[in-house]
Amino acid sequence: EAQVTQNPRYLITVTGKKLTVTCSQNMNHEYMSWYRQDPGLGLRQIYYSMNVEVTDKGDVPEGYKVSRKEKRNFPLILESPSPNQTSLYFCASSLGRPDTQYFGPGTRLTVL
Amino acid sequence: GESVGLHLPTLSVQEGDNSIINCAYSNSASDYFIWYKQESGKGPQFIIDIRSNMDKRQGQRVTVLLNKTVKHLSLQIAATQPGDSAVYFCAENMRSNDYKLSFGAGTTVTVRA
Repeated sequence: EAQVTQNPRYLITVTGKKLTVTCSQNMNHEYMSWYRQDPGLGLRQIYYSMNVEVTDKGDVPEGYKVSRKEKRNFPLILESPSPNQTSLYFCASSLGRPDTQYFGPGTRLTVL
Repeated sequence: GESVGLHLPTLSVQEGDNSIINCAYSNSASDYFIWYKQESGKGPQFIIDIRSNMDKRQGQRVTVLLNKTVKHLSLQIAATQPGDSAVYFCAENMRSNDYKLSFGAGTTVTVRA
């Protein structure tokens, strides 16, 4: 089954404790992206990757890192999480240009 | 700055009626637009897209209209069903950056039985 998976689905952590949210897709897609979703703000793009070893900043990259060492994986790294990073995070992938993006189920992160 | 926005945050529709969801964008350089549907507890799901060289595109029970003159986009859902209850987002892709997608805040559609 074609899908985008994210782990963990739920995470509660404390300020400053490094964490990684994994994202994996099994569709051989070149394009992958991370979004955060906050009430009233819709989805805001954090980082995206056009292919292996090629990444670029979205609208809200501060406080986040990404890597794309393999085509299927695109982890999101928070080196020192802060409470304002409490949000619902989505990973997405598509064959090329961000059309027909397939979204993962989301990761709800709470930073205390 | 550039923004993609929706006219109304909520829409209540009687089952069987047609729904119209509106979206305004401000960047005239945008050349590709997408509508997504997000059901409670799930990630957004692609519905339909349209490129700037078109003004109308139809899918199954859905139609997207693009008015570039007033920078307005709409999604029409025919014969709305309970399963159409969700949050709907429009998104734009700007010609200057093929890989960057900007989303509007979303409209919550509730279908009344």
